[in-house]
Amino acid sequence: AQSVTQLDSHVSVSEGTPVLLRCNYSSSYSPSLFWYVQHPNKGLQLLLKYTSAATLVKGINGFEAEFKKSETSFHLTKPSAHMSDAAEYFCVVSDITGRRALTFGSGTRLQVQP
Amino acid sequence: EPEVTQTPSHQVTQMGQEVILRCVPISNHLYFYWYRQILGQKVEFLVSFYNNEISEKSEIFDDQFSVERPDGSNFTLKIRSTKLEDSAMYFCASSVREQGAYNSPLHFGNGTRLTVT
Repeated sequence: AQSVTQLDSHVSVSEGTPVLLRCNYSSSYSPSLFWYVQHPNKGLQLLLKYTSAATLVKGINGFEAEFKKSETSFHLTKPSAHMSDAAEYFCVVSDITGRRALTFGSGTRLQVQP
Repeated sequence: EPEVTQTPSHQVTQMGQEVILRCVPISNHLYFYWYRQILGQKVEFLVSFYNNEISEKSEIFDDQFSVERPDGSNFTLKIRSTKLEDSAMYFCASSVREQGAYNSPLHFGNGTRLTVT
């Protein structure tokens, strides 16, 4: 069975400082991993996806994530937070050979202080 | 960039009433999905649809739920007799290839907030 654990429900950073949102996954097979962002009253927007071609994945808006199989982690980072980054972030796992439906983490709410 | 569009954005209905949530997936996508998020809880998978039939469904998707692609563009979720616990944000999504495949992320709509009173 696959599962996702987002280690922090809330993260607060100052504008211009680095962002780290932590995610650990469990999957019986080779997983597909994604990060989605949800701004207030908006849908779920894809930030980035892990495709197995490279362990360091770059996404939109300056975000990136590193797939570490040995640690079963897929943490999301950004060097410098912007006010517009304030949103809810979801780590998501799926598996083409197992249960294909996306399994969402519980989300991390990112606050950016001026 | 093409988008998944959902209507209405908000729907209020009385318990026991039927409700239909509508979605227009991205035009060249072949797989369609419904997910939901009860307030304060995780986003949960309901159903996936391909080639005019359900390809996967969760235990949440019981006989009260049905999906349909009535024409070439719309994808609908019907709840036959709504319960209070059906109150949630319902997200439609579509993808080129099946969910779980590498390079096949889901594209989500903005959601329909369903309130059952």
